[in-house]
Amino acid sequence: SQKIEQNSEALNIQEGKTATLTCNYTNYSPAYLQWYRQDPGRGPVFLLLIRENEKEKRKERLKVTFDTTLKQSLFHITASQPADSATYLCALSGYAGNNRKLIWGLGTSLAVNP
Amino acid sequence: ETGVTQSPTHLIKTRGQQVTLRCSSQSGHNTVSWYQQALGQGPQFIFQYYREEENGRGNFPPRFSGLQFPNYSSELNVNALELDDSALYLCASSPSGGDTDTQYFGPGTRLTVL
Repeated sequence: SQKIEQNSEALNIQEGKTATLTCNYTNYSPAYLQWYRQDPGRGPVFLLLIRENEKEKRKERLKVTFDTTLKQSLFHITASQPADSATYLCALSGYAGNNRKLIWGLGTSLAVNP
Repeated sequence: ETGVTQSPTHLIKTRGQQVTLRCSSQSGHNTVSWYQQALGQGPQFIFQYYREEENGRGNFPPRFSGLQFPNYSSELNVNALELDDSALYLCASSPSGGDTDTQYFGPGTRLTVL
């Protein structure tokens, strides 16, 4: 069955450093991969989307890469700040029909220490 | 803020009872999805509505049912509540004609079943 794996352990980094989060998937050929941020008790917030034919996407301090050969996406936050502390979720979807529904990872908790 | 609202914020029910959760989509969005998120887990897709018709369903029993209204607001109904139904219930809307299913989430309803 389709499976998404994200760093299971919380990531602790120092303010100013680059945080790198990993999303690996198996038994799936996604058309799109998305990254969301979720704060405790709140709904996820969309950050970035990358398509299968794109290698990299950037938005301000965020960068996402997508390697369909390795079946992996990396999510980078550069010059991290304590306000970046949250859980980050990756989600995949296909092109059409019921494959359009998003399949979610469990998320990785990031703590940026001042 | 996404413009997606949910009510109520919190709810406590007992086993066997029924519950109705409500969601108001972001303006211009005609697709609504409902998710269940247990503590420490990623969102699990319950079902999606597009223009008042169910458009995909996850692995949830029939006691989970929904409605979408002409103004694209939506309800999630759960009958015969079980203890395992305790979770954060998230509603998300998607832009009309969107091809990537980027989800714009509401703040969620925290349901506790005793």
